[in-house]
Amino acid sequence: GEDVEQSLFLSVREGDSSVINCTYTDSSSTYLYWYKQEPGAGLQLLTYIFSNMDMKQDQRLTVLLNKKDKHLSLRIADTQTGDSAIYFCAGQTGANNLFFGTGTRLTVIP
Amino acid sequence: EAGVTQSPTHLIKTRGQQVTLRCSPISGHTSVYWYQQALGLGLQFLLWYDEGEERNRGNFPPRFSGRQFPNYSSELNVNALELEDSALYLCASSLAQGGRQPQHFGDGTRLSIL
Repeated sequence: GEDVEQSLFLSVREGDSSVINCTYTDSSSTYLYWYKQEPGAGLQLLTYIFSNMDMKQDQRLTVLLNKKDKHLSLRIADTQTGDSAIYFCAGQTGANNLFFGTGTRLTVIP
Repeated sequence: EAGVTQSPTHLIKTRGQQVTLRCSPISGHTSVYWYQQALGLGLQFLLWYDEGEERNRGNFPPRFSGRQFPNYSSELNVNALELEDSALYLCASSLAQGGRQPQHFGDGTRLSIL
């Protein structure tokens, strides 16, 4: 079955870069996603990468995909206090539903 | 462009009752998905509707059901509520499923069972 693993917590200082890591088991995922969840809110789609890509950059966000190691990472440059949230990595199955990691709680220290 | 909207935002029920949650997708989106985010269990897929049909179902009992209307909005029904049904229920929508389109989420309905 599909499984996604993420570390639970990450703390960074404001202005530094944050790197959130994710490993997954289902190599058939066509797309891999990063979502952000702020307290009391739903999930905000941040970015996604097609499985035949190695890297995608979108403003302060950089996604790296290592298909061989089934490893996905999200780098946030110049991290701000507004980036404090829970970040979820997700893959998409052949049946179209998403399977999520446990989420990484990012805390940005002023 | 309006995002995915869900109602109500909060709901309190007691064990054994029934509940209906509602979701309106982004305009132009035909697929609707329901997920449960329960404390300690993470985000779990519940149901997927596309063009009015149930396309896939997660590992949940039959008392979780739903439907999709001709305008693509959707309802999630939960019968015989149990304490462990307390969770945030999230709805997502996407363009037609053929292209594995990204799913966009609403802010959810927080259901508390007393």
